[in-house]
Amino acid sequence: GNSVTQMEGPVTLSEEAFLTINCTYTATGYPSLFWYVQYPGEGLQLLLKATKADDKGSNKGFEATYRKETTSFHLEKGSVQVSDSAVYFCALTAYSGAGSYQLTFGKGTKLSVIP
Amino acid sequence: DTGVSQDPRHKITKRGQNVTFRCDPISEHNRLYWYRQTLGQGPEFLTYFQNEAQLEKSRLLSDRFSAERPKGSFSTLEIQRTEQGDSAMYLCASSESSPFSGNTIYFGEGSWLTVV
Repeated sequence: GNSVTQMEGPVTLSEEAFLTINCTYTATGYPSLFWYVQYPGEGLQLLLKATKADDKGSNKGFEATYRKETTSFHLEKGSVQVSDSAVYFCALTAYSGAGSYQLTFGKGTKLSVIP
Repeated sequence: DTGVSQDPRHKITKRGQNVTFRCDPISEHNRLYWYRQTLGQGPEFLTYFQNEAQLEKSRLLSDRFSAERPKGSFSTLEIQRTEQGDSAMYLCASSESSPFSGNTIYFGEGSWLTVV
């Protein structure tokens, strides 16, 4: 089956620190990979995605590279801000067999950035 | 493009009552999904529609749950005889219909359900 494993939180960083959130996956077929972010009390927003090996997704200073050889999609940001405090979810889509691609999520990593 | 909208955002109900959530997807999206998210967990897939056809249901969707998308536009998720274990956030999402794994699935802000 498909699964996503991401580092457990919470992660607490000082402003301007470097961020890495690890994510590894197992999947049947060739998945696409995503990072979603969830701010307190809100739904999920797509942060970035990558659809094939060695692709780098990037947005708002965040980056992640699709590493097929290590089945990983680690999220990084060089300098975090207080406004980045949120829960980050790694996810993949793989063919469900019913004509669609379903998202499978990790459990989420809560990030708190302190001034 | 107003995004995926859900209503109500919050619902508190007594155990045993029925509740219904509504979702309006992005207008050009043919595919509509329902997910459930409990505290401290990632969202879990419940069911999916292609236009008005419900094509897939998770084993998480018990007989007390029913989802419809009668005209291929908005969708409703009804929970009958609610139980405390149903307390969660119910997320609706939509996407384009092309069979490409990289299509982005866009989420609404969710409907929080608390069963007391």
